[in-house]
Amino acid sequence: GAGVSQSPSNKVTEKGKDVELRCDPISGHTALYWYRQSLGQGLEFLIYFQGNSAPDKSGLPSDRFSAERTGGSVSTLTIQRTQQEDSAVYLCASSLGGERLNEQYFGPGTRLTVT
Amino acid sequence: AQSVAQPEDQVNVAEGNPLTVKCTYSVSGNPYLFWYVQYPNRGLQFLLKYITGDNLVKGSYGFEAEFNKSQTSFHLKKPSALVSDSALYFCAVRDMDTGRRALTFGSGTRLQVQP
Repeated sequence: GAGVSQSPSNKVTEKGKDVELRCDPISGHTALYWYRQSLGQGLEFLIYFQGNSAPDKSGLPSDRFSAERTGGSVSTLTIQRTQQEDSAVYLCASSLGGERLNEQYFGPGTRLTVT
Repeated sequence: AQSVAQPEDQVNVAEGNPLTVKCTYSVSGNPYLFWYVQYPNRGLQFLLKYITGDNLVKGSYGFEAEFNKSQTSFHLKKPSALVSDSALYFCAVRDMDTGRRALTFGSGTRLQVQP
């Protein structure tokens, strides 16, 4: 079946502009995660959605970052007033709930470059 | 707080030899532990997990990992390495006794298997 998809695959933007990154999770997966991966770094947790519960936003690095998940499916990560340090690969993952909550399926990522 | 350390940036091993990729963790409660793999030009994939039960867990592609509570370690192993195992490996942890559902990932270890 279809995996997690993300768009765009690459985004180049000027410093100060806003960007929106999209994630389509696997159908039926109730949990959705956003991470970012900087060059040579591990994965940095950003935000987590689970069903209708309030999202865990504890990983968002600043108030310029926000995310929403509409209808329990598609999610959009928005970065306002982008800075050069925001350049990274942004990864989305989804999973089933329960015992398989953290068996995450990752998308291919969006490579964001802020010039 | 939960954290993961992967002390080796890179591990080199000859094909056919056993391999070990090291991981240590820190949580205040009981850990869920995971290994993920990122093959070149492909997304992250779930490899295996430890929740409870046997300390030796088996996963995909012949990999296994041993949970050692006294040493707070969860090293990834394979008896006989293949060139196709060359990839970036991430260890991850989640503290079972907190409300946080997201994983904390290590910085990754690049495994290079030489023919």
